[in-house]
Amino acid sequence: EVRLVESGGGLVQPGGSLKLSCGASGFSITTTYMSWVRQAPGKGLEWVSIIYGGGATYHAGSVKGRFSISRDTSNNTVFLQMNGLSADDTAIYFCTRAAPGGLGHFDYWGRGTLVTVSS
Amino acid sequence: AIRMTQSPSSLSASIGDRVSITCRASQGVSTYLAWYQQKPGKAPKLLIFDASTLQTGVPSRFSGSGSGTDFTLTISSLESEDFATYYCQQYFTYLWAFGQGTQVQVK
Repeated sequence: EVRLVESGGGLVQPGGSLKLSCGASGFSITTTYMSWVRQAPGKGLEWVSIIYGGGATYHAGSVKGRFSISRDTSNNTVFLQMNGLSADDTAIYFCTRAAPGGLGHFDYWGRGTLVTVSS
Repeated sequence: AIRMTQSPSSLSASIGDRVSITCRASQGVSTYLAWYQQKPGKAPKLLIFDASTLQTGVPSRFSGSGSGTDFTLTISSLESEDFATYYCQQYFTYLWAFGQGTQVQVK
């Protein structure tokens, strides 16, 4: 059974840093793309970052230079390092999986972890 | 970056109604388009991918159509569990993007 479990969210001050983790089970993260999608309170979905099976990474313009996606293949875990946080980064952060063999649609989502940026 | 625009932003409907939601891309995305359903406090759920392919386990009252820049999600006969927010998403480019969402409410 495929499972994605996020952790690492919490309250952080403006300008601070936080590292989110996504533990995956039921498949290998190297066989597909893994991505982070966020949702600010009462708002829509915003794609944040993606890491391809081969390791290439891309980030949305709103977080480029501040956020970094990475992975630990031995522990089947994906990370999102977030630096220079501002109130605009307050959101639930979902870990998602692109369907293996698919073209990029996200077939599994975690339950999300809440990041609150406030002083 | 490709921008996705959904219409309407919200709609009111009754059980049994046929409901259609439109998604327009700022440039062509072929059929690299998915639809998701999200209920309050829950993660989004994949309904349709590649513009018209129904995800396993999704009821057949959901259907998708379109290619290029214009896409439609249709619910043929609305059921109570379908009241939710729906999002389209393009994956034609490596900068994935979602529409702003369409909330389907009880009339």
